[in-house]
Amino acid sequence: GAGVSQSPRYKVAKRGQDVALRCDPISGHVSLFWYQQALGQGPEFLTYFQNEAQLDKSGLPSDRFFAERPEGSVSTLKIQRTQQEDSAVYLCASSRGGSGRLVEQFFGPGTRLTVL
Amino acid sequence: DAKTTQPTSMDCAEGRAANLPCNHSTISGNEYVYWYRQIHSQGPQYIIHGLKNNETNEMASLIITEDRKSSTLILPHATLRDTAVYYCIVIPNTGNQFYFGTGTSLTVIP
Repeated sequence: GAGVSQSPRYKVAKRGQDVALRCDPISGHVSLFWYQQALGQGPEFLTYFQNEAQLDKSGLPSDRFFAERPEGSVSTLKIQRTQQEDSAVYLCASSRGGSGRLVEQFFGPGTRLTVL
Repeated sequence: DAKTTQPTSMDCAEGRAANLPCNHSTISGNEYVYWYRQIHSQGPQYIIHGLKNNETNEMASLIITEDRKSSTLILPHATLRDTAVYYCIVIPNTGNQFYFGTGTSLTVIP
């Protein structure tokens, strides 16, 4: 069956450009998560949605990062005025449970962002 | 939030059992232990989780000590495809974040 998909898989941006990363969760999954994974590190939480509501955005590193899920399915992570330190793999995960954290999270393959 | 400690890396011979330890000495009574793994260039994959009792599924077994301060993930017959970074995660009792840490890099050797 279809899993979590992310696009693009690879993105190269010049410093200062805006980027938008897309996540298509598993159909019917209530919860959606974004993580940032720097090279050689584990994923770090960015933000969490339950349906269209963004319930936790405590992990977003700056106000240049913005996420939305307007219809409770597809989500977009937008990074404005990209900096070199934003270079990382951005992972999206979804889960069927409303609570999110006590139910298995299914991860997408990630988008590798490189900022030059 | 409860923290976990894992060895940085481990090797295991193909066909043998791989035993991956995790310390979580500050775990709270209602916090679960989850294990995920991440094969190179892929997203993390759920393996197993538990609260108090030992658990087994088609992928692995999870042994949790009686005091819940540590656990061991067991891959009974490791294959080359099990080479990955394995993350032990304790679910926080507030919020919805998974704290992955740096995990254990397991290399299965032919």
